[in-house]
Amino acid sequence: SQTIHQWPATLVQPVGSPLSLECTVEGTSNPNLYWYRQAAGRGLQLLFYSVGIGQISSEVPQNLSASRPQDRQFILSSKKLLLSDSGFYLCAFGQAAARGYTFGSGTRLTVV
Amino acid sequence: DAKTTQPNSMESNEEEPVHLPCNHSTISGTDYIHWYRQLPSQGPEYVIHGLTSNVNNRMASLAIAEDRKSSTLILHRATLRDAAVYYCILSHNNNDMRFGAGTRLTVKP
Repeated sequence: SQTIHQWPATLVQPVGSPLSLECTVEGTSNPNLYWYRQAAGRGLQLLFYSVGIGQISSEVPQNLSASRPQDRQFILSSKKLLLSDSGFYLCAFGQAAARGYTFGSGTRLTVV
Repeated sequence: DAKTTQPNSMESNEEEPVHLPCNHSTISGTDYIHWYRQLPSQGPEYVIHGLTSNVNNRMASLAIAEDRKSSTLILHRATLRDAAVYYCILSHNNNDMRFGAGTRLTVKP
């Protein structure tokens, strides 16, 4: 079966510190991978998506970056976190256009 | 991107049917209509999707208007566990899922 793993579940980081969130997918090959962010009480904002290894599309300019070093691994990074980077970060994968996405359980990041 | 319009919030009584509306007047012929729901502190969960015909699954039914400019997600018997934010999304290439504010469903016992 297809599963998605995202960690850590919660994270508290000081302003200016680096960030690395990892997402891995099992049970499928060549998935489309996505990073979303959800600010408190708000909707989901698409940050990055990837259709293959090394292929990253960015939706919004910011101090975050994404990488896909392996087919089923998607990493969200920052060199220096801002207070505004706090939020609920969700990884998702999808395949055929009609089949929709499967989301991970999310990482709640608090920048202090 | 094609947009959807949903009410901000709705209330339902437990064990009664719930009809969640979505307007998408600018839908294109290749857009699928997807519904997701998000429980508190969790990622969104796929509910149902369709293209032209009505769809049923174990979670819900999707009724699509003949002109496809609107759709309705139907929960046949609401339970307390159905309290969530429900998102209606249009997608034609699976790289364009844009989540709006959704409808916050409250289920009263």
